[in-house]
Parts: sequence; C-alpha cells; structure tokens
Amino acid sequence: EAGVTQSPTHLIKTRGQQATLRCSPISGHTSVYWYQQALGLGLQFLLWYDEGEERNRGNFPPRFSGRQFPNYSSELNVNALELEDSALYLCASSRDRGTETQYFGPGTRLLVL
Amino acid sequence: GESVGLHLPTLSVQEGDNSIINCAYSNSASDYFIWYKQESGKGPQFIIDIRSNMDKRQGQRVTVLLNKTVKHLSLQIAATQPGDSAVYFCAESPFSGGYNKLIFGAGTRLAVHP
Repeated sequence: EAGVTQSPTHLIKTRGQQATLRCSPISGHTSVYWYQQALGLGLQFLLWYDEGEERNRGNFPPRFSGRQFPNYSSELNVNALELEDSALYLCASSRDRGTETQYFGPGTRLLVL
Repeated sequence: GESVGLHLPTLSVQEGDNSIINCAYSNSASDYFIWYKQESGKGPQFIIDIRSNMDKRQGQRVTVLLNKTVKHLSLQIAATQPGDSAVYFCAESPFSGGYNKLIFGAGTRLAVHP
C-alpha cells in the first residue's frame, strides 16, 4: 500500500510569489492535514480537510489556503510569500474525520529567497 | 499558546542500551497521544500511541508511559540500535469534533553510538 505522497520535493520561490504544494493521501483515507515545520518551531498545524471541506485551521494568515479534490488529494497554496515561509510542509492523512492516527508524507521543502 | 515539550534536547546513548525520551504536554483536555520518529529528510513516522485511559502501552521494543497527574509522556526504546537515531516527537490530540489536530513538541534528537 502506497503511503502519503507529496510534490514537489523541493520548491524555490522569491518573496511575493505564490507556491502550490500537492498531496495524495493513503488510498481509502478521506482526511488530509497540512503542517508547517520551520527551523526551531517544531510542527505547526495549518489546515484540515475532510470530504472536500476545510474543517479546521491553525494560527496562520489567510494567505495560506488550500482545497481538497473529489479524489481526496489536496493542494496547499501560499500567496504573497515571505522569507519566513521557508519551511518543510508536511501533509498527513487519516482514514476519516474520527480517526486519530495521522500518517505523514515526506514533505515539500519550500525556500523563499 | 499551545505547547508540548518546547525544548529540543539531544540524548546520546550507546548501542544496546535502553533509551528514555521524555515529553511534557500542556492541554489537560488531550486524551490521545502519539510518538513519531523523524529521520533526516523524511516525514514523521508513527511509532506508538496511547489513550488517556491507559498508563502504559507496549509495542515492539518500544513502551509509552503516560502520567496524567503531571502531564508527562515518555517513550522507552529497548536495546537501542543505530537505526533508531532520529528526532522523536510527541504529539497530543485534544478531542474536538474528531481528532483533527495534533499539537507537537519541538522534539528530542536521539544519537546512538556504536
């Protein structure tokens, strides 16, 4: 069984640009979560999608947004990139909205110059 | 703010020794806890979990202990191997309409020496 996959593995952008990160959950999983892992700050919860809807978001500005597609894959969009957005962005999935075990992908490393 | 074990200590052990990694959590409403292992360049890998109605849970070479009185978690790794070298994160999940959010600590780096 394939795990959570993310693309691209690395992304380099300049300040003010937009970034789009993609995630495919484990087959059969309907919930997708996004986390930011910046140096020195651990993993911070960003967004939770389930059945195509945003169900919860962490303490991040509105320029962090995303969506979930009918096949349960997800996109994370970061607009008006700032230098501080440089981080590893991790996607996780779980079987459904009531299932607590989240399984992570390898992440997308975003560098903003 | 929310916090789980904000400091990132490093634990150095000899191969074959037992390792104990500790974690403090802050939310008394959390009723589900997970340990993840993150190797360099990879995403966090699920190790073991425990619910708040348990004090101890064992897996293969790993044991998680939960002390709700002092809001403390620990992960014990028996016969530590070089492949155990990684950063270990504890995470808590406050129940709120489903387990939809994990609060992570900053992690502990485990270095295993031959």
